[in-house]
Amino acid sequence: KAGVTQTPRYLIKTRGQQVTLSCSPISGHRSVSWYQQTPGQGLQFLFEYFSETQRNKGNFPGRFSGRQFSNSRSEMNVSTLELGDSALYLCASSLGNSYNEQFFGPGTRLTVL
Amino acid sequence: GQQLNQSPQSMFIQEGEDVSMNCTSSSIFNTWLWYKQDPGEGPVLLIALYKAGELTSNGRLTAQFGITRKDSFLNISASIPSDVGIYFCAGQDGNNRKLIWGLGTSLAVNP
Repeated sequence: KAGVTQTPRYLIKTRGQQVTLSCSPISGHRSVSWYQQTPGQGLQFLFEYFSETQRNKGNFPGRFSGRQFSNSRSEMNVSTLELGDSALYLCASSLGNSYNEQFFGPGTRLTVL
Repeated sequence: GQQLNQSPQSMFIQEGEDVSMNCTSSSIFNTWLWYKQDPGEGPVLLIALYKAGELTSNGRLTAQFGITRKDSFLNISASIPSDVGIYFCAGQDGNNRKLIWGLGTSLAVNP
């Protein structure tokens, strides 16, 4: 069974631009969660999508948004990029039931110049 | 955001030594998960715990769900160089599907 895939793996943008990251979950998984990881801050939860609906949300500004498609693939968008948005963005998929074992993709390394 | 207290923050040990790390929370959790992250990769799930007092092993790794439901520990026996990485704990309460994450324990193993 293929794991979680994320594209692109690396991205360089400049301040003010916007970016879209993509995540394909494990086949059969209906939940996709997104995290931002920066050194010293651990994994910060952005949001979770389940069956095309946002089911949970972290404490990030509205510049961070996401969506999920009918095939469970998910995209995350960040508008008006700031230098502080430079991070590793991880997506994790799970079955979406009460057992929240999440399986992570390799991440997208975003650098904002 | 809310975070778990994970300790130690880093460890430097000799190959063959045993390692122990733990996570504590002010909240009660009904799930504890332990992950390992290698440089440039996403975290990989090592062990999942669902019952207070549960003790689960995965090869040389053993994790326990504390009976107070506010803590968990991970032990690695007879460490080897490939154990190097960052280990994260994550907990989930019954009312909220969000996982709460520790800041990680960075493990270095001297061959």
